[in-house]
Amino acid sequence: EAGVAQSPRYKIIEKRQSVAFWCNPISGHATLYWYQQILGQGPKLLIQFQNNGVVDDSQLPKDRFSAERLKGVDSTLKIQPAKLEDSAVYLCASSFASGGYPQAVEQFFGPGTRLTVL
Amino acid sequence: AQSVAQPEDQVNVAEGNPLTVKCTYSVSGNPYLFWYVQYPNRGLQFLLKYITGDNLVKGSYGFEAEFNKSQTSFHLKKPSALVSDSALYFCAVREKSGTYKYIFGTGTRLKVLA
Repeated sequence: EAGVAQSPRYKIIEKRQSVAFWCNPISGHATLYWYQQILGQGPKLLIQFQNNGVVDDSQLPKDRFSAERLKGVDSTLKIQPAKLEDSAVYLCASSFASGGYPQAVEQFFGPGTRLTVL
Repeated sequence: AQSVAQPEDQVNVAEGNPLTVKCTYSVSGNPYLFWYVQYPNRGLQFLLKYITGDNLVKGSYGFEAEFNKSQTSFHLKKPSALVSDSALYFCAVREKSGTYKYIFGTGTRLKVLA
């Protein structure tokens, strides 16, 4: 089974520029997550989708970050404009709902996109 | 505030010795508990999880974890460490209500010495 795909793997931009990341989850996984992982820290959830609806975006800096999952499959995360503190690895993950404990399923992570903002 | 603590930034252990990576949490109710491992330049990989029942959970690559409700801990263990176990380990909890948010710890780097 193919894993979670992300592109690009690396991106270097100047501050105030825009950038977009793409994620294709595992086929059949209804839930998709975007995380920000700053060096030395654990992943921080930015946004969670269930199919094409947003479940949780409470930690998404909405003045500059946006995300969409229009057809309930792949997703894009955009930063506009970028700040120096946005330098991080952006991880996409997906999971499926299982019958007995749908919230207890594990997540499958992509390799991440390393963003450097200069 | 809900949180996950991994008190050790790094754990060093000799190959063949038992290892423990510690995790404690502060979350309302009894959350679901997870361990993930991250190898260099790769995404996180699931190791094991606790849902309910037996406090000792067995997972991938010979790892196990013990849930202790009174101490709100979920320590990761392995009886005999391998050099290939060297990686970054993350503990995570998921709420059983509300938005079912995942909360990750800051990670513990495990270094197994040959």
